[in-house]
Amino acid sequence: DAGVTQSPTHLIKTRGQQVTLRCSPKSGHDTVSWYQQALGQGPQFIFQYYEEEERQRGNFPDRFSGHQFPNYSSELNVNALLLGDSALYLCASSLLSPQETQYFGPGTRLLVL
Amino acid sequence: GENVEQHPSTLSVQEGDSAVIKCTYSDSASNYFPWYKQELGKGPQLIIDIRSNVGEKKDQRIAVTLNKTAKHFSLHITETQPEDSAVYFCAASMDTGGGNKLTFGTGTQLKVEL
Repeated sequence: DAGVTQSPTHLIKTRGQQVTLRCSPKSGHDTVSWYQQALGQGPQFIFQYYEEEERQRGNFPDRFSGHQFPNYSSELNVNALLLGDSALYLCASSLLSPQETQYFGPGTRLLVL
Repeated sequence: GENVEQHPSTLSVQEGDSAVIKCTYSDSASNYFPWYKQELGKGPQLIIDIRSNVGEKKDQRIAVTLNKTAKHFSLHITETQPEDSAVYFCAASMDTGGGNKLTFGTGTQLKVEL
């Protein structure tokens, strides 16, 4: 049984560009959450998708958007990249029910130059 | 919103000793508290979690305690081994009716020395 997978593993972009990160959830899971982890910090919640809709959103600007597909996989899009967007982007999958465990993927390391 | 504080930021112990990491949370509605271990270059891995209807949970060398009145919870690792060296994060979550986002602490770098 495959766990949570993310692609790509690393990415280098320049300021102003756009990026798309991808996530496939753990088998049997229907909910995907995205987190941003700056160096030396804890993960910060970006948003959560269930049934192809954004269910919750953290304190991130509209430059951050996402999508969930019918097979439960998800994409995170970031437009107009800033240097401060450099971070590890983590995808977590779970069931939507409260108190359900979230399982994290290995992350995508994004560097904005 | 929820705020989670975690202490200490770094912890160094001798192999075989115990390690304790403490977290406090601000929102009394939080009812789920997982702990994650993150090794260099990897995503966080769940090591233990506790729900608000219990005060303590143990899994081999790892235990978590929860004090809802004081709004704090702690991770206890006994008989530490070098492979326990990593960054540990506590987190809190509540039922918002629309999802289950996690609010994380700032992490504790645990180093187990031989």
